[in-house]
Amino acid sequence: EAGVAQSPRYKIIEKRQSVAFWCNPISGHATLYWYQQILGQGPKLLIQFQNNGVVDDSQLPKDRFSAERLKGVDSTLKIQPAKLEDSAVYLCASSFLEGYTFGSGTRLTVV
Amino acid sequence: KQEVTQIPAALSVPEGENLVLNCSFTDSAIYNLQWFRQDPGKGLTSLLLIQSSQREQTSGRLNASLDKSSGRSTLYIAASQPGDSATYLCAVRSGGKLIFGQGTELSVKP
Repeated sequence: EAGVAQSPRYKIIEKRQSVAFWCNPISGHATLYWYQQILGQGPKLLIQFQNNGVVDDSQLPKDRFSAERLKGVDSTLKIQPAKLEDSAVYLCASSFLEGYTFGSGTRLTVV
Repeated sequence: KQEVTQIPAALSVPEGENLVLNCSFTDSAIYNLQWFRQDPGKGLTSLLLIQSSQREQTSGRLNASLDKSSGRSTLYIAASQPGDSATYLCAVRSGGKLIFGQGTELSVKP
């Protein structure tokens, strides 16, 4: 079974620039999550999709972050404009029933 | 609001020692609890999942226990090896969400 694919692996941008991350979940996993993990902290849920609908986006900073999941498969997370405090690892996960599978993440550095 | 805390934040032990990592949560109304491993620059790997009705789960040298009433879980690692060096994260599934602790960074010295 292929894992959760994420790209890019690393990204360095200047503050106020925009950036986008891509996630391809495991085939058949209806639920997809984006987490933000700041260095030294545990992952924090940003948004949860069930198929292509949003289940929970209560912790997504909607003034600068947006996410979509077209056709209930791939997902894109965008930040515009980026701030220094957005420097973190962005993890995508998908689940079926109870098991969660995480991707390797995208490490974002905002300078 | 569910909060998950892990103690200690970092731990360094010599190879061969048995060790215990601690996790506590504030709301006992959980669906399940998972322990994950995270290697530097990598994603999370699920180690053990304990349902709310279970008391413990075992996999190889790993044993996780759950005391829902007291809001505690422990991860026991037997005969630690340098390859066990990683960050260990505890997460509870509560209110439809997976909520993580901040992790314990484990270093096993040869």
